[in-house]
Amino acid sequence: QKEVEQDPGPLSVPEGAIVSLNCTYSNSAFQYFMWYRQYSRKGPELLMYTYSSGNKEDGRFTAQVDKSSKYISLFIRDSQPSDSATYLCAMIKLGGNNRLAFGKGNQVVVIP
Amino acid sequence: GAGVSQSPSNKVTEKGKDVELRCDPISGHTALYWYRQSLGQGLEFLIYFQGNSAPDKSGLPSDRFSAERTGGSVSTLTIQRTQQEDSAVYLCASSFRQGRETQYFGPGTRLLVL
Repeated sequence: QKEVEQDPGPLSVPEGAIVSLNCTYSNSAFQYFMWYRQYSRKGPELLMYTYSSGNKEDGRFTAQVDKSSKYISLFIRDSQPSDSATYLCAMIKLGGNNRLAFGKGNQVVVIP
Repeated sequence: GAGVSQSPSNKVTEKGKDVELRCDPISGHTALYWYRQSLGQGLEFLIYFQGNSAPDKSGLPSDRFSAERTGGSVSTLTIQRTQQEDSAVYLCASSFRQGRETQYFGPGTRLLVL
């Protein structure tokens, strides 16, 4: 079992819809949670970073963390065609070398 | 300011040859990471450098892989006797210092081993 599980299935939504993505993890040592966005043939770029349970909003993006359930989510409101990309969840354990443990990513396509 | 840069952007090589991949981190960033992204496995950690400390090599998949970081800045990832399963995108990331700092990624080197 991978440390971080993210159902890698592609997701197609119409423009303006809400996109909902999630990841689960098994090790409670993970304390810092990120969502990265990766456009085709580019490196990942940080979208959201949170370390406490609850919600964090940034514009159209909301990151949600539930440490008791070991479950994190990303919501994109009013999705735009420019949101079409692969979204990767990532997390860091407390202590250690701070390497990122990634989910496999979801390819999101927003249809105009 | 300049971001993380990597070269070459694409590399095609024959099985059994050695390859070198280069990473230029953001100026002033002391932490540097190499990751590999492949279709089946997703993004996986390879190696971590922090300042002048000994690197954390715990993610390297075999002894054919090695990396160095000269002068605390530029890093080179070397793959000896390449195999077809080494085909992947190799990504470099840097952060300001050790800890929970944001890691900034380069565009990656796409390696294809024929």
